[in-house]
Amino acid sequence: ETGVTQSPTHLIKTRGQQVTLRCSSQSGHNTVSWYQQALGQGPQFIFQYYREEENGRGNFPPRFSGLQFPNYSSELNVNALELDDSALYLCASSRGLAGATDTQYFGPGTRLTVL
Amino acid sequence: KNEVEQSPQNLTAQEGEFITINCSYSVGISALHWLQQHPGGGIVSLFMLSSGKKKHGRLIATINIQEKHSSLHITASHPRDSAVYICAVRLGGNKLVFGAGTILRVKS
Repeated sequence: ETGVTQSPTHLIKTRGQQVTLRCSSQSGHNTVSWYQQALGQGPQFIFQYYREEENGRGNFPPRFSGLQFPNYSSELNVNALELDDSALYLCASSRGLAGATDTQYFGPGTRLTVL
Repeated sequence: KNEVEQSPQNLTAQEGEFITINCSYSVGISALHWLQQHPGGGIVSLFMLSSGKKKHGRLIATINIQEKHSSLHITASHPRDSAVYICAVRLGGNKLVFGAGTILRVKS
């Protein structure tokens, strides 16, 4: 089984720019969730995609958007970057919306720095 | 107040010691996860619990649904156990709410 992969591993952008982060889900998984983890804090839920549709969103502004492709890989797009967007962005995949019975498998994360 | 609170925030132990990390939550949940995060960011799922107790090697996780509390225990701790341990609760749908994490350092 191929694990969850993310690209790039590190990224430096300036305020106002736009960024796209990518995630390939684990083989057989059709759900991808994205999280933002600021330094020293736990991850915060951004949104989740299930079979190419957004399925739940956390308290993030609309400039955070996403996409899921037919092969269930996913992108996170952030427009008009702000300094506070500097964080580790994690994606996690799972096998469907099985509620309490599924496990999420996390990727290694993308470290975004906004200058 | 955060929905998920972990204690302690930082923990330093000597190799071989028994370690307990606690997690309390204030909302109704369908499951609770314990995760391990190593420096550099990679997160590994250790346990998913909805009741009772689970054991995997030297790790034991328990949950008390009535008291909204869970504990992660590490027996015979080792320096390679040094990591951040995160408790996360599953709310309606598939949303996870995370605690801030407990930074564990095991010294040899």
